[in-house]
Amino acid sequence: DMKVTQMPRYLIKRMGENVLLECGQDMSHETMYWYRQDPGLGLQLIYISYDVDSNSEGDIPKGYRVSRKKREHFSLILDSAKTNQTSVYFCASSIGTGVQDTQYFGPGTRLLVL
Amino acid sequence: GQGVEQPDNLMSVEGTFARVNCTYSTSGFNGLSWYQQREGHAPVFLSYVVLDGLKDSGHFSTFLSRSNGYSYLLLTELQIKDSASYLCAVRDQGGRALIFGTGTTVSVSP
Repeated sequence: DMKVTQMPRYLIKRMGENVLLECGQDMSHETMYWYRQDPGLGLQLIYISYDVDSNSEGDIPKGYRVSRKKREHFSLILDSAKTNQTSVYFCASSIGTGVQDTQYFGPGTRLLVL
Repeated sequence: GQGVEQPDNLMSVEGTFARVNCTYSTSGFNGLSWYQQREGHAPVFLSYVVLDGLKDSGHFSTFLSRSNGYSYLLLTELQIKDSASYLCAVRDQGGRALIFGTGTTVSVSP
């Protein structure tokens, strides 16, 4: 059963606190992604990971960092969260970055930074 | 530059059809994908097109015109459960990731 999981599903933090969002996949996919989705802006790519310890900035990496120590697990870290990082965060995975590679999305994490 | 444009909203009636338009601009073209996203849920892959013309997949069909930078998703025999946001996405210049449109919210009424 192909699945992408995300934890936690909902999170409330205060400005300046550290945030850790976790993502897992059971499909042995090489490539994993972190997006954020905001009304009117659509899905924006934060980071892409091509495999363990092979990460690349996306379109909006400022204020975020990632960690991928195992192929099935990809973390997004916010050091000192800001209120403008309130958003819905989606993790996704794909077999590779081939043009037909479908992206499978997790259920999302709704983060509120107060 | 690169970008994907979609109308914000589309309303239709159960049993009829809805056409969701998408225009894009990219440096090089590596295919276009359509995703469905229901309210409060994750995007789910629907279709991938890379060749010009109509691709009939039953309930969902897609059309592509590469020369015009245009695609549409055609939803036929609409059901209430088809109410969702439909996202169009193209590969970026490096081919490494997808550039998503903001999505078109399709509302199907009885």
